[in-house]
Amino acid sequence: EVQLLESGGGLVQPGGSLRLSCAASAFTFSNYAMSWVRQAPGKGLEWVSAISGSGVNTYYADSVKGRFTISRDNSKNMLYLQMNSLRAEDTAEYYCAKAPTPIVGAITYFHHWGQGTLVTVSS
Amino acid sequence: SYELTQPPSVSVSPGQTARITCSGDALAKQYAYWYQQKAGQAPVVVTYKDSERPSGIPERFSGSSSGTTVTLTISGVQAEDEADYYCQSADSTGTLVFGGGTKLTVL
Repeated sequence: EVQLLESGGGLVQPGGSLRLSCAASAFTFSNYAMSWVRQAPGKGLEWVSAISGSGVNTYYADSVKGRFTISRDNSKNMLYLQMNSLRAEDTAEYYCAKAPTPIVGAITYFHHWGQGTLVTVSS
Repeated sequence: SYELTQPPSVSVSPGQTARITCSGDALAKQYAYWYQQKAGQAPVVVTYKDSERPSGIPERFSGSSSGTTVTLTISGVQAEDEADYYCQSADSTGTLVFGGGTKLTVL
């Protein structure tokens, strides 16, 4: 059974940094694009970033471009999100999600999700 | 970027049919995907590529597309279907977007 386990969330001050991790298991990790999706408390889903199966191609929402960096280590079955210059509006549950194809494009959606890790940006 | 618009809420009685719409210019060219999110849980995809249904999703969930609007139809709604529903689309540049979500209330 596919498992995605996020970690690294916590409380951070505005302007600070945090690195999220997602440990994947029970599938050939490098064969699938991965993504981060967040949900602010009581709000809807917001796509944050995606990365192709090879790790060569990365994509970002305008709201995080230049501040967040997505990466993956296919030898360790790990997905990461480095978050810098954090703002109060980045406070959210961050989900790791698996796409059914190795590329990110018009048929990208998410058929497996982790349970999320909470990031709180506050002084 | 582009936007997807959903009604904030839909209410139906058990056994009736619920229809949740999602509108956006991009939907005329791109596929739509629907997710169900129950309170305190991660989302689950209930339809993909406009009208395909993943294995394990009940047949009462169906999707359709017409022009710039896609519709998630839940036939014979059950109490367990009460949840938030989100549409999602993606374009060839790798930009993904979610609709604002619709809260389905089963009366």
